[in-house]
Amino acid sequence: GEDVEQSLFLSVREGDSSVINCTYTDSSSTYLYWYKQEPGAGLQLLTYIFSNMDMKQDQRLTVLLNKKDKHLSLRIADTQTGDSAIYFCAVFSGGYNKLIFGAGTRLAVHP
Amino acid sequence: DAGVIQSPRHEVTEMGQEVTLRCKPISGHNSLFWYRQTMMRGLELLIYFNNNVPIDDSGMPEDRFSAKMPNASFSTLKIQPSEPRDSAVYFCASTFSGDQETQYFGPGTRLLVL
Repeated sequence: GEDVEQSLFLSVREGDSSVINCTYTDSSSTYLYWYKQEPGAGLQLLTYIFSNMDMKQDQRLTVLLNKKDKHLSLRIADTQTGDSAIYFCAVFSGGYNKLIFGAGTRLAVHP
Repeated sequence: DAGVIQSPRHEVTEMGQEVTLRCKPISGHNSLFWYRQTMMRGLELLIYFNNNVPIDDSGMPEDRFSAKMPNASFSTLKIQPSEPRDSAVYFCASTFSGDQETQYFGPGTRLLVL
C-alpha cells in the first residue's frame, strides 16, 4: 500500500528554524498537506501544496516539495514555544482516493 | 463557521457496553471521514462517506464497529460490544470533495473502555 514516513521527534531551540521532513511513495499524489496537533486537540490544517508546485510560503511556514524524490518538508522560521506539537504529513492518494497520513513528528521547542 | 462538531468529547464505559459517537460535519461538505488515533497505530482511517453513502469501510476493525450517515449533517460511529482495545481518540473529518480534498477535523472523542 501507499506509505508516508516521517521522523518521530525533533527538538529545537526557541528562535531557531525547524525543518520537518516527510517522504511518500505514491507518485500520483496531487495534494500534500501539513497538519498540526496540539495536546488533547484535533488536527488543524496548517498548509497544503499542489503537486505541480515546488514551494509555498505562508508567513513563518515554508513548504518545499521535491516530486522527483517524493520528499516534502515543512520549515518553521523563528520557532516559538507555541509551535510545540505533533506535525502530520498527509498525501492525497489518487489511487486510493484518500488521505494517507504519516505517523507524525513531535516538535519540542526549548528555551 | 462552527467547524466539525463531535460528541461526546470524552466517554468512559465498561467492556461490553455499546458506545455511540456522533459527528456533525461542516455545512456544505459532502464527504465525511471517521479516524481512530492510538499511540501504537497512529491515525487510521476507519470509513468514509460521500454524499451520505459509505465508500470505503476497509478500515473498520471488525463487525463490532458500524457507521451510519442518515443525512448530510449527521453521522454516527457505533461500537457494540466495546472492548478495552477500542480505547482511542476517534476523529471525524469532513471536506467538500473536489476542493483540494482538504479535510477539516473535529476535536475528537476520547474513548476509554475499562
